[in-house]
Amino acid sequence: AQKVTQAQTEISVVEKEDVTLDCVYETRDTTYYLFWYKQPPSGELVFLIRRNSFDEQNEISGRYSWNFQKSTSSFNFTITASQVVDSAVYFCALSENTGGFKTIFGAGTRLFVKA
Amino acid sequence: DTEVTQTPKHLVMGMTNKKSLKCEQHMGHRAMYWYKQKAKKPPELMFVYSYEKLSINESVPSRFSPECPNSSLLNLHLHALQPEDSALYLCASSPTVGGRGLGGELFFGEGSRLTVL
Repeated sequence: AQKVTQAQTEISVVEKEDVTLDCVYETRDTTYYLFWYKQPPSGELVFLIRRNSFDEQNEISGRYSWNFQKSTSSFNFTITASQVVDSAVYFCALSENTGGFKTIFGAGTRLFVKA
Repeated sequence: DTEVTQTPKHLVMGMTNKKSLKCEQHMGHRAMYWYKQKAKKPPELMFVYSYEKLSINESVPSRFSPECPNSSLLNLHLHALQPEDSALYLCASSPTVGGRGLGGELFFGEGSRLTVL
């Protein structure tokens, strides 16, 4: 069965600090997809990134970077030089190839960035 | 601006009322979803429509009735709800590949916040 664990419930940082959000997943599929979504206080979930299981390349997009390691079943998300606008709940999610349309979300990590 | 539009944004209903939530997308996606999200919890999948056909029903009570009139529209009909059904209801769509999900990213609307009295 698929499972996504985000052990950090809440993280509080001061603006300009770097912060890493952890995500550990479980799946029996050899082909799967991992995601990060952001949910600001307004409520709408926003897609940030998708990684395929066969592509372990790390990715950087501006202040955001993602570290995918199959050996440890982890897909961590780092925000560099955090800003107040980064305050949100961040969800890691997993979709298995056999499941097709079914995406399972982790419990989420609430990030507070203080000015 | 979100490309998935949900109406209404807020809805208050009694337990005997019948109401509907509506969702529209114009991204050409052929998979559409209803998720339910309680406060401080992750979204929980309720229904998936693929090519206008119900593909997944996550054992949702029959007081929730989904409908997909065409490839752009998704409705959720509500009847005889309970106070514990109060939640944020999120609609989403995703691209498909060869008719399959294949891990398509979800595009969410802003949600309809439902309160059942």
